[in-house]
Amino acid sequence: QVQLQESGPGLVKSSETLSLTCTVSGGSLGSYYWSWLRQPPGKGLEWIGYVSYSGTTKYNPSLKSRVTISLDKSMKQFSLKLTYVTTADTAVYYCAREERGWESRWFDPWGQGALVTVSS
Amino acid sequence: SYLLTQPPSVSVAPGKTARISCGGSDIGGKSFHWYQQKSGQAPVLLIYYNTDRPSGIPDRFSGTYSGNTATLTITRVEAGDEADYYCQVWESSTDDVVFGGGTRLTVL
Repeated sequence: QVQLQESGPGLVKSSETLSLTCTVSGGSLGSYYWSWLRQPPGKGLEWIGYVSYSGTTKYNPSLKSRVTISLDKSMKQFSLKLTYVTTADTAVYYCAREERGWESRWFDPWGQGALVTVSS
Repeated sequence: SYLLTQPPSVSVAPGKTARISCGGSDIGGKSFHWYQQKSGQAPVLLIYYNTDRPSGIPDRFSGTYSGNTATLTITRVEAGDEADYYCQVWESSTDDVVFGGGTRLTVL
């Protein structure tokens, strides 16, 4: 059963770069898309973007200018970089496997989440 | 961008049936997916493709889709069902993922 685990600093200074890594275990990276999502405290879910096994990426238009998602097949990891962070980027960041079917996409499973606080 | 509307909260007594709606404009042809998020935990996929349940999800959870609204139904509600529930679709025209604002289910 595939499991995902986020890792990275829990505190980032404003204007700096947030970096997180998701390690995939118990399954293959191939044939799937791998996504990052986030949830500000007390708020709803927001999709950040994905990277495919072939390296194709797609980002939420609202974050596109600051986001990079990459894949390291040898380590079975994918990573998120978010530049020029502000306090509005404080959130629990989740990694998830993206399932795709006919004309739709959904997320299963999810990592446990990593709280990242941006200090001013 | 595309919007999905959910009621902020739903309350139900134990053993009763809870229904959580998710609506949007022009949702024809879209497939809805539902997630359960218990306090302090990651979301868990409950329903995909409007009505399908992943393995391990009890059949007390079901999804329906009619007109401009998708509905998550939870029968024989238990205290352990208290959580936030989110609907989600894929907007094909922009290749974007959209979540509803979430509904907090309170078991009285």
